[in-house]
Amino acid sequence: GAVVSQHPSWVICKSGTSVKIECRSLDFQATTMFWYRQFPKQSLMLMATSNEGSKATYEQGVEKDKFLINHASLTLSTLTVTSAHPEDSSFYICSAREGMYGYTFGSGTRLTVV
Amino acid sequence: SQQGEEDPQALSIQEGENATMNCSYKTSINNLQWYRQNSGRGLVHLILIRSNEREKHSGRLRVTLDTSKKSSSLLITASRAADTASYFCATDRGTSYGKLTFGQGTILTVHP
Repeated sequence: GAVVSQHPSWVICKSGTSVKIECRSLDFQATTMFWYRQFPKQSLMLMATSNEGSKATYEQGVEKDKFLINHASLTLSTLTVTSAHPEDSSFYICSAREGMYGYTFGSGTRLTVV
Repeated sequence: SQQGEEDPQALSIQEGENATMNCSYKTSINNLQWYRQNSGRGLVHLILIRSNEREKHSGRLRVTLDTSKKSSSLLITASRAADTASYFCATDRGTSYGKLTFGQGTILTVHP
C-alpha cells in the first residue's frame, strides 16, 4: 500500500531556533499533502494544504510566516517551524492523498521546544 | 475547526466485549473515514464509507452512516487488548483538495 515517511520522529530544539520536518510519499506521487497539529489527548487540527509547485493554503489562524511549507517535488513536502517557542511544542503529522479516496498518514513528529 | 463530535470521549471495556463509538458531523459530506491512533503514533486508516452507503464491514469492524442524522458509528466486535487506542472519525466534504476534518476522538481501553 501507499507509504508516507515522516522525519524526524522526534526533535528537541532550543527556543528561537527553526526546525524542519520532512514528509515523503515513498511509492506514489502526491500533488497534495496536508499538515496537521495535535496536542496531547486532542484531535488533529489541519494547519495547511501543501500543493506541489505552488503556495500552500493555510487554515484560518495559522501563521504562514511561522509555519513555512515547501512542496518542491511530487514526493516531498517540508514544514519548517521558524523561531520556535515552547507553545509550538506539539505532535505534527503529515498526510498525502493517493488516488480518489486514499489517505496515508506519516508516523508523526514530536516537537519539543525548550 | 473541528466538525465532528465523538462520543464517548473514553470507553473502557473487557476483552471479548463489543465497543461502539459514535461520530456526528455538521455539513454534507462525500465520505466519512475512521482512523486508529496508538499513543504518540501516526494514524492508521480503518475504513471508509461513502455518503451513499449505509453500512460497511471489514473484519471485526462495522461502520454505519446515517446522512439524515449526520452521524456514524464504529463497532468493534470481540475486542482485544491490542485494540486499545484512540479512534477518530474524519469527514471528507469532497472538495478538490480533499481535506479531512477530524472528530474529537474516542480513547478506547480494552482490559485483558
